[in-house]
Amino acid sequence: DAKTTQPPSMDCAEGRAANLPCNHSTISGNEYVYWYRQIHSQGPQYIIHGLKNNETNEMASLIITEDRKSSTLILPHATLRDTAVYYCIVSTNSGGSNYKLTFGKGTLLTVNP
Amino acid sequence: SAVISQKPSRDICQRGTSLTIQCQVDSQVTMMFWYRQQPGQSLTLIATANQGSEATYESGFVIDKFPISRPNLTFSTLTVSNMSPEDSSIYLCSVQMGQQYFGPGTRLTVT
Repeated sequence: DAKTTQPPSMDCAEGRAANLPCNHSTISGNEYVYWYRQIHSQGPQYIIHGLKNNETNEMASLIITEDRKSSTLILPHATLRDTAVYYCIVSTNSGGSNYKLTFGKGTLLTVNP
Repeated sequence: SAVISQKPSRDICQRGTSLTIQCQVDSQVTMMFWYRQQPGQSLTLIATANQGSEATYESGFVIDKFPISRPNLTFSTLTVSNMSPEDSSIYLCSVQMGQQYFGPGTRLTVT
């Protein structure tokens, strides 16, 4: 079973920030938070990941709470092309022998014009 | 990142037959993964395929149904054997290069 809980769907206006929440209250100390997205009929795309510090890259920002039990993915200026299912996944580091991704149901983000 | 291709991109097959899906990556990678995505569902990991060793299957998936080959560091195949309509899904391969990168998927319909 997936170790994360996400809302099934969210809407966002084009040009506004999209904030996607994820709960992972049973996360272990050596587990990272990964975010992927899947645009319709395509393979999932890596977005960002983090352990405990906030992270930012060219696609998004990841805010992890101090207790690490929840996180938020932020798309700063959502576009119509950001409409996708967003998956929050908890796993060990990708260099570890137990690394694998367990996908939950994710959040369908719909960006509206 | 990695560029991953899959063949075929889609196929329609009759029940009882088998289909082999190919996954090619443009870089040498140790770990490759095969996933299934049933209609309207999320991705489910079928197996992990490391070059030079037998594939490791997840609970609910067996080698007789989903044999996997991993002949080198850039290529893998997944065979869906003795197909039934319940096998109609998108099958995706992925590779680990820092993070996991996914192929475009193979859409299989079994009639």
